[in-house]
Amino acid sequence: NAGVTQTPKFQVLKTGQSMTLQCAQDMNHNSMYWYRQDPGMGLRLIYYSASEGTTDKGEVPNGYNVSRLNKREFSLRLESAAPSQTSVYFCASSERPSPGEQYFGPGTRLTVT
Amino acid sequence: QKEVEQNSGPLSVPEGAIASLNCTYSDRGSQSFFWYRQYSGKSPELIMFIYSNGDKEDGRFTAQLNKASQYVSLLIRDSQPSDSATYLCAVTADRGSTLGRLYFGRGTQLTVWP
Repeated sequence: NAGVTQTPKFQVLKTGQSMTLQCAQDMNHNSMYWYRQDPGMGLRLIYYSASEGTTDKGEVPNGYNVSRLNKREFSLRLESAAPSQTSVYFCASSERPSPGEQYFGPGTRLTVT
Repeated sequence: QKEVEQNSGPLSVPEGAIASLNCTYSDRGSQSFFWYRQYSGKSPELIMFIYSNGDKEDGRFTAQLNKASQYVSLLIRDSQPSDSATYLCAVTADRGSTLGRLYFGRGTQLTVWP
């Protein structure tokens, strides 16, 4: 099993460009999450999907959209990238009844110039 | 707003010593507590979880929870250089609209020197 996979691993965007970060999990988990991690700020939740067909905002949703394409896949879209969105993005998944036991993907390092 | 506080460190201990990592949280309704380890440039990895007051041991790791004091800690016995990483404390909200979400502290950087 690959666990949680993310693509791409690295990306450089210019301000105003758009892109989609892809995430897939093969653990048959119901819940999936997108986080960003910035130096000194810890992990902050952008959006999450408690189950297929549902999505909810986290702490820092502005500037992002998500799609839970099916049970396996959860994508994060930046419609108009800004330098403030330079960060490392992690996707994670979990299974109830232990939503806190999350499994993380390898991350995407995004730079917006 | 749910706050999870950790000393950022760095915490530096010699090989073989006990490393003690601490975490406090603001939401008295929190029920589940987690410790994640993150090596530099890598993704977080779950190493311990605890749901009840008291101690929980797993190999060299012991998690301690005191809900009355809203305090959770992680002890690493016989610390090894391979334990050098950032340790993230996380807490779930187990009720209401934020059910299932994890709230992370900013992490404590641990260095174990040989």
